[in-house]
Amino acid sequence: GAGVSQSPRYKVAKRGQDVALRCDPISGHVSLFWYQQALGQGPEFLTYFQNEAQLDKSGLPSDRFFAERPEGSVSTLKIQRTQQEDSAVYLCASSQAGLGQVISPLHFGNGTRLTVT
Amino acid sequence: GDSVTQMEGPVTLSEEAFLTINCTYTATGYPSLFWYVQYPGEGLQLLLKATKADDKGSNKGFEATYRKETTSFHLEKGSVQVSDSAVYFCALFNTNAGKSTFGDGTTLTVKP
Repeated sequence: GAGVSQSPRYKVAKRGQDVALRCDPISGHVSLFWYQQALGQGPEFLTYFQNEAQLDKSGLPSDRFFAERPEGSVSTLKIQRTQQEDSAVYLCASSQAGLGQVISPLHFGNGTRLTVT
Repeated sequence: GDSVTQMEGPVTLSEEAFLTINCTYTATGYPSLFWYVQYPGEGLQLLLKATKADDKGSNKGFEATYRKETTSFHLEKGSVQVSDSAVYFCALFNTNAGKSTFGDGTTLTVKP
């Protein structure tokens, strides 16, 4: 597609429910990142994929958070047993280059706003 | 770890005023520096970038110069327009870490 697509745009979950957030990156982009953005703050890194390999998951806040990109394109961020502190906008970004290649900018999706009640 | 500090907002200016949004960073190695912009209802998009010291990034009348000696990347525009109203994020990409670090954003409102 023309840009990075995320779905759903909005998600309301009751505390304790599991959620799955989807990201369709730009076709052919090697790198895919997930970020969490709390209200009034900048995006905070969660995890990074180069193709299907998850090279860095140091930003995932707990073991309730899990991300995958099994075929090196679409990615899913799953949050189990959601808590109120998980309420945030979850951003997906892709870029053309992989690690060690010429630096290319991030292309962001519009995000999924998750509200846990 | 890496960090980016932006001047706090919100910033309100009249049309045609001069804009400066300060940004300083802390990072290991030699990061690349970026400004991203988020217009109302839209996702973040790249505004400009600089990949090495003394480089100047520019786009849409905005400029920022990579100053290694002061670890800064201040955003400037000589004459803002109402359409520049948005949230601006300063960011660095650390090649060693393979990820970007963002500031908290500065909201700019330009009034006619």
